[in-house]
Amino acid sequence: DVKVTQSSRYLVKRTGEKVFLECVQDMDHENMFWYRQDPGLGLRLIYFSYDVKMKEKGDIPEGYSVSREKKERFSLILESASTNQTSMYLCASSPRLTEAFFGQGTRLTVV
Amino acid sequence: QKEVEQNSGPLSVPEGAIASLNCTYSDRGSQSFFWYRQYSGKSPELIMFIYSNGDKEDGRFTAQLNKASQYVSLLIRDSQPSDSATYLCAVRGNNNDMRFGAGTRLTVKP
Repeated sequence: DVKVTQSSRYLVKRTGEKVFLECVQDMDHENMFWYRQDPGLGLRLIYFSYDVKMKEKGDIPEGYSVSREKKERFSLILESASTNQTSMYLCASSPRLTEAFFGQGTRLTVV
Repeated sequence: QKEVEQNSGPLSVPEGAIASLNCTYSDRGSQSFFWYRQYSGKSPELIMFIYSNGDKEDGRFTAQLNKASQYVSLLIRDSQPSDSATYLCAVRGNNNDMRFGAGTRLTVKP
């Protein structure tokens, strides 16, 4: 079974903190993705990576950065957390052009 | 900006009926198309994928793709209360991105 593991299920951070969300996959997938999900807005693509050290901006990259130093790990970084970044964050991985497999999600609250 | 649009819903059908879910996409270079189901509080899980024009059937589910019209749909036959969930359309572009629609909430009433 494909396993995509996100480091935290729930996280509470203060405004202005630097926040790291970690995602690890065990299937040697080339592609990894970070999304946020808000009610009525579906999954919005923040960043994706198609190879180690390679990254592409999605539709809402502002306020976020990513790191992919190893193939199995893709980190999302909130440089200075703000209340409008309170959301559910979903990580996914996939082989090229095929289905994506999701982690369990991290519900982040910024206070 | 690449867009994926779904009929907003919510959609309510009686048990045993056919549920029809629709999706359009803006990027003509899109390569592959997916339908995911998401139960409340859970992560999305794959139901169907389709790569070529036409219909693809898997049990009670049929996905339809029309690349000329940039349209993909999902039919659920003999709908069951357990099918009640949010259905997400996803589209992969030729640069390996994957974008989702906002989802359609389906309720199947016993």
